Amino acid sequence: KAGVTQTPRYLIKTRGQQVTLSCSPISGHRSVSWYQQTPGQGLQFLFEYFSETQRNKGNFPGRFSGRQFSNSRSEMNVSTLELGDSALYLCASSSTIAGGQETQYFGPGTRLLVL
Amino acid sequence: KQEVTQIPAALSVPEGENLVLNCSFTDSAIYNLQWFRQDPGKGLTSLLLIQSSQREQTSGRLNASLDKSSGRSTLYIAASQPGDSATYLCAVRRGNNRLAFGKGNQVVVIP
Repeated sequence: KAGVTQTPRYLIKTRGQQVTLSCSPISGHRSVSWYQQTPGQGLQFLFEYFSETQRNKGNFPGRFSGRQFSNSRSEMNVSTLELGDSALYLCASSSTIAGGQETQYFGPGTRLLVL
Repeated sequence: KQEVTQIPAALSVPEGENLVLNCSFTDSAIYNLQWFRQDPGKGLTSLLLIQSSQREQTSGRLNASLDKSSGRSTLYIAASQPGDSATYLCAVRRGNNRLAFGKGNQVVVIP
């Protein structure tokens, strides 16, 4: 079974631009969660989608948004990029909603650099 | 707010020694606790998942314990190998369905 895939793997943008990241979960998984990882803050939860509905949201500004499609693939969008948005963005999938008793499987991440 | 702490941030051990990594969390009302491994620039690999009703989980050379009442978990890696060099992250899940992560223990196993 293929793992979680994320595209692109690396991205360089300038301040003020917007960016869209993509995540394809493991086949059959319906829950997709997004995390931001920075050296200073560590891993922080962004949001979770299950069956095309946002089920949970972290403490990030409205510039961060996402969506999930009927095939469970998910996209994350960041508008008006700031230097502090430079980070590794990780996506994780699970077959049930993330509050269940099973583990989440993480993708390799997208490394975003904002100049 | 759930806070997860992992100390020390970094450690080095000679090959063959046992590794002991500690994780503490402030709110004992958790669903489960998970240990992950992260290699540089890579995603996370799940190592062990301990449900709130369990005291420990084992997989090969890895053993993780959970003491909810004291808000602590320990990951033991027996007979460490250079391939065990990585960052180890502890994460707890609460009723709000989010994973709260520690900042990790960066481990170097010296051949």
